[in-house]
Parts: sequence; C-alpha cells; structure tokens
Amino acid sequence: EAAVTQSPRSKVAVTGGKVTLSCHQTNNHDYMYWYRQDTGHGLRLIHYSYVADSTEKGDIPDGYKASRPSQENFSLILELASLSQTAVYFCASSRLGTSQNTLYFGAGTRLSVL
Amino acid sequence: QQQVRQSPQSLTVWEGETAILNCSYEDSTFDYFPWYWQFPRESPALLIAIRPVSNKKEDGRFTIFFNKREKKLSLHITDSQPGDSATYFCAASGASSSFSKLVFGQGTSLSVVP
Repeated sequence: EAAVTQSPRSKVAVTGGKVTLSCHQTNNHDYMYWYRQDTGHGLRLIHYSYVADSTEKGDIPDGYKASRPSQENFSLILELASLSQTAVYFCASSRLGTSQNTLYFGAGTRLSVL
Repeated sequence: QQQVRQSPQSLTVWEGETAILNCSYEDSTFDYFPWYWQFPRESPALLIAIRPVSNKKEDGRFTIFFNKREKKLSLHITDSQPGDSATYFCAASGASSSFSKLVFGQGTSLSVVP
C-alpha cells in the first residue's frame, strides 16, 4: 500500500513567520504534489514535482515555494505566512502524472495562521 | 474559473435509497474522470474512475454515468449505507500522453441517515 507521510499534522503560525510543511513517500513514485483544501473550494494544486531538484507551479502558487531534494521528500514553504493561508494542506504522490494515475494522499496538515 | 462543477453541495438520503451526485466540466480535452471520496478527518482516496471510451463504469454499488456530448457525469450510489457518508469529489484531467493536472470540483457532502 502506498505510504505518504506528512509532518507536522497540525501547526499554529504567526502572521509573517516562516512555515515549512514536509512530506515523505515510500512508494518510489516520481510525481509529488501539494494541494490546499478549503471549504467550498475542493482541492487546489499549489506545486508539483516530477523529478528531484525540480518543481513546477500549480494553479495557486503565489505565496508558496516548494523544494524536492530527493525522490522521497517534498516540502512546501511559506516564507511569510498570511491569514489567508489558513487551510488544510495535503501532499500526494503518483507513479506517473495525474493522467489516469491514482493520487495517494498523506493524512494532511492543518495550518492555522494567527 | 471553475472547470469542474459539482451539485448538489450537500445531499441527505435515507439508508437503502439511491444517491445521485452530479458533475459537469468545461474543457472538452478532459479524458479521465476519477471520483475521490473523503471521510471526516481523513484524506481523499480514489473511489472509481471512468474514461470517455465508455459511458458507464460500475463497481459494486457505485456507478458512473457519462455523457460526453453534454459534458456531464454522475455518480450513483445504490442501496446507500451510513458508511457511505463522506464528501465526494469529481475530478478531471486530459492529455493522456503527457502530464496533465487533475482538477477537482468543490465536492458534494453526502449524509446517509439510518
């Protein structure tokens, strides 16, 4: 079974502070993704990566950076956290790109920016 | 611009009834339509998926009906059970030969009452 592990599971951050969300997968998948979930908006893609040391912008990349230091690890960085970034963040991986390939999600990180 | 729309936003049915969840899309190049479900405080997981080569996909009590001409699809859950209570996301992607982002709808929250 696919395994995607996120840390931390929840975090409270202050406005203007730096936040780093981490994701680790043991699936040997090439693709990794960061999604944001807000009530009424479903899941929206922030950044994704298909190879180590390379990241791509998703649909809502503003205010976020991503880092893929290895195939297994993918981080999401909020350099200057803002109130509007309060949300649940999901990391996911897939064997190939999302065209007809299953996304395996981590448990999520609940971020509150105060 | 919401490329994938779902209705209703929430739905309540009695145990044993058929629940019908609707989804529509705008991009005619979409060629893969998975449905993900998400239980409270859990992460999304793939439920069932369809490609437009067929207009129906069945898996137990879950059936997708697809209408390519109208760019609509629906998920039918027959003999609904309380354990089916979850949020259901319709998603879409295209360009099967290369990476294509998976676009999610806003979700339908289903409650099955005993």
